[in-house]
Parts: sequence; structure tokens; C-alpha cells
Amino acid sequence: SAVISQKPSRDICQRGTSLTIQCQVDSQVTMMFWYRQQPGQSLTLIATANQGSEATYESGFVIDKFPISRPNLTFSTLTVSNMSPEDSSIYLCSVERGRDRGYTFGSGTRLTVV
Amino acid sequence: AQSVTQLDSHVSVSEGTPVLLRCNYSSSYSPSLFWYVQHPNKGLQLLLKYTSAATLVKGINGFEAEFKKSETSFHLTKPSAHMSDAAEYFCVVSEDNQGGKLIFGQGTELSVKP
Repeated sequence: SAVISQKPSRDICQRGTSLTIQCQVDSQVTMMFWYRQQPGQSLTLIATANQGSEATYESGFVIDKFPISRPNLTFSTLTVSNMSPEDSSIYLCSVERGRDRGYTFGSGTRLTVV
Repeated sequence: AQSVTQLDSHVSVSEGTPVLLRCNYSSSYSPSLFWYVQHPNKGLQLLLKYTSAATLVKGINGFEAEFKKSETSFHLTKPSAHMSDAAEYFCVVSEDNQGGKLIFGQGTELSVKP
């Protein structure tokens, strides 16, 4: 299955600043997905990123707050903008490896906003 | 709309006894179903997946799950728990017409007592 390198693994940020999270996949993939896992909770999809087009955001998430780039078929970034303590979460990227091969997740970025 | 309900937020078993983690789903179309495990401070690991092939699915580390359409269930089982099985388990559903979007259950924390 795909190997995803996600960084940073963790960060502590000041409120009002922005953090960009990167995901690099070891092979070309059509779609990349970004998820948020708030403390003690399950994962929620933020957006789907296709190469060459704007990301598709889920209800409750907007591009101004979570801009996403997808410059090629192996790389994507998620920026958490104008951060507040409520943004403290684990952020994960994911790729699909074909319908019968499941999804692979990055190791996650643990963000703490102070 | 698709949804996933994990019936227990926490399950505690003794080492060597069977494990049962319950999951019910709601789906309008033919779903793909997954179980993922998340160990503390670790990434998500795919345990097993159902994609309309055999209804009894065998996964890694001795886990298996049975897809029961009539009951809309996909319960995870293991005959004998090991201490290393202690983790958070997520039941996940995906539909072919949803562009790869995954819907996560709320998770079940499995504790294993010596």
C-alpha cells in the first residue's frame, strides 16, 4: 500500500497564526483527503483534494480557514489559518489505493494552539 | 445518507478472552466497510475491509468481521485478546458514489486486562 510522509508531526502555535501541513505520497494518486480528529473524538473529513482543481469542502469547513493546495499527483498541503485554541486537533491526510485496497493514512499532525 | 454507529464507546476484556466490537451502518448504496485501529500516539492502521466479496472478512492480527446486510451490521471479533490489542477501533463506511469519502464511527476504546 502507499506510504505517506506527513509533516510536521506536531506543533505548538500561537493563536492568530497559520500552520501549513504537508503530505507526500510515494506514488501518484488521484484524490487526497484531509481529516480532523478533535481531542477524544472520531475523524471528520475536511475536504477532498484533486490535482488541478479546487478542493471540495465538507459542511462546516471553508476554504478561507483551511486552504488546500494540490500541485501534483503526489503532494498536498493543508493550511490552518488564523488559528484559535478550538483548532487544536490531529490533522491527517489520506489516499485511496483502489476500491479493494482501502485507504492509507498519514501519521498525523498533532496541533496545539495556545 | 450514510452513517456509522459503534454501539460501545468502551469495551474491557481479559487477556485470552474473545473480543466483540459492534458496528451498525446505514447506507443507500452498496457500501465498502472498514475497521481501523489507532494505538496511542500512533497513526491509523487498516485491520480489514469489506468490498462486496466474501461476507466474512479476515484481517490482520487475528481479527475478522462479518458483513450482515439484513442486520446492517459489521461487527469486529477476535477469538483471544492480547494485551497489544488495547487501542481505539473505528468502524468506517464508504460509498461508491461519494467520491471516496469515509464516514467514521465514534470509536470504541478496547481495554485488555491481564
